[in-house]
Amino acid sequence: GENVEQHPSTLSVQEGDSAVIKCTYSDSASNYFPWYKQELGKRPQLIIDIRSNVGEKKDQRIAVTLNKTAKHFSLHITETQPEDSAVYFCAAVPTSGQKLVFGTGTRLLVSP
Amino acid sequence: GAVVSQHPSRVICKSGTSVKIECRSLDFQATTMFWYRQFPKQSLMLMATSNEGSKATYEQGVEKDKFLINHASLTLSTLTVTSAHPEDSSFYICSASRPVGDTDTQYFGPGTRLTVL
Repeated sequence: GENVEQHPSTLSVQEGDSAVIKCTYSDSASNYFPWYKQELGKRPQLIIDIRSNVGEKKDQRIAVTLNKTAKHFSLHITETQPEDSAVYFCAAVPTSGQKLVFGTGTRLLVSP
Repeated sequence: GAVVSQHPSRVICKSGTSVKIECRSLDFQATTMFWYRQFPKQSLMLMATSNEGSKATYEQGVEKDKFLINHASLTLSTLTVTSAHPEDSSFYICSASRPVGDTDTQYFGPGTRLTVL
């Protein structure tokens, strides 16, 4: 089955810096890769996603890139703000079903 | 759009009792709902996939007789933790999927924090 690895587990940056979180997946047939942001004690919220027929997608300060050959995808946050502090999860959806396979999460801390 | 509610948000119960958690899609019909468990500082672990009108599909290692799932309608799924024990204490989160383009996107409920004494 699909396996998703995520790095780093924690990431501390200064306000205004960029943050990059990387994920790799094992199932080459996976075709959908969402990213979720989860604040402490709250629900995961979809912040951006990318499908396998696209290499890059951007939404204001957030971008995601996908390298199908290498089977990895990354989340890029520019001009970070303290409210970006949260746990970020990547996920992959194998074509075999609808299930989300989550990465282990990255705790991002943006210091003012 | 795509709002998912969950009730209750918190529950504290004694060991041996059963607890029911409801998950509702408020503004869309969800043919598929998912139940996750999340321990502190860990990722979401899928417990089961629930389809309206059929039996839930449980992930390996999840006891179906302990975690009863009912998906009675296109907007409601329930998870009942039977004979709860302290090790069942966790954050339980549901999600409901809705087609967005050619992919099903999952929208999460706010979660239920279960504490078993």
